[in-house]
Amino acid sequence: GAVVSQHPSRVICKSGTSVKIECRSLDFQATTMFWYRQFPKQSLMLMATSNEGSKATYEQGVEKDKFLINHASLTLSTLTVTSAHPEDSSFYICSARDRRRAGGPQFFGPGTRLTVL
Amino acid sequence: GDSVTQMEGPVTLSEEAFLTINCTYTATGYPSLFWYVQYPGEGLQLLLKATKADDKGSNKGFEATYRKETTSFHLEKGSVQVSDSAVYFCALTLDSNYQLIWGAGTKLIIKP
Repeated sequence: GAVVSQHPSRVICKSGTSVKIECRSLDFQATTMFWYRQFPKQSLMLMATSNEGSKATYEQGVEKDKFLINHASLTLSTLTVTSAHPEDSSFYICSARDRRRAGGPQFFGPGTRLTVL
Repeated sequence: GDSVTQMEGPVTLSEEAFLTINCTYTATGYPSLFWYVQYPGEGLQLLLKATKADDKGSNKGFEATYRKETTSFHLEKGSVQVSDSAVYFCALTLDSNYQLIWGAGTKLIIKP
């Protein structure tokens, strides 16, 4: 089946630093990847849609200058949390859609737990 | 381990038919339960949720009741429309962590 990986799985950083999270589709190509954020005991929130070769589309209320998304290839999208602060601590999940299956399901990564001290 | 099991799709119905998509779960604690929907070409959206036993979540005519005795959270709608065609995901999260555990998704196709 389709596999999506994320790296790192956990990261702890100091306030003010930047953190990069990678999302890779391992056995398929994805023109579209999604980035989600999950708060404790709450449901998933879509942050942005990442399109290969073009700018990401951000959801309302998500700061694009703080959460930089780069979808440089058909198998890799990165989310960079810039100047992280404790309120950015969360669980970040990516998903990807196989380009061969228009409108097909998303395959989810295992998530990255970010803790900002 | 903790898991979510959904009925396999695709599920194909005619417009105005009654819908049930089954979801059962296995969890060591007391999970919160969710249904997410993915319309064609879009990202996931939360459809409804329930946080404790016997709670009923509802939205857009869809309902699901948190049944602890049967460890189920089946999604129902009385009269489906073509616009309900999408992929539906059942998921849970436990109090001990906030990682979502997902079902495999059920594709729903509604024919006019």
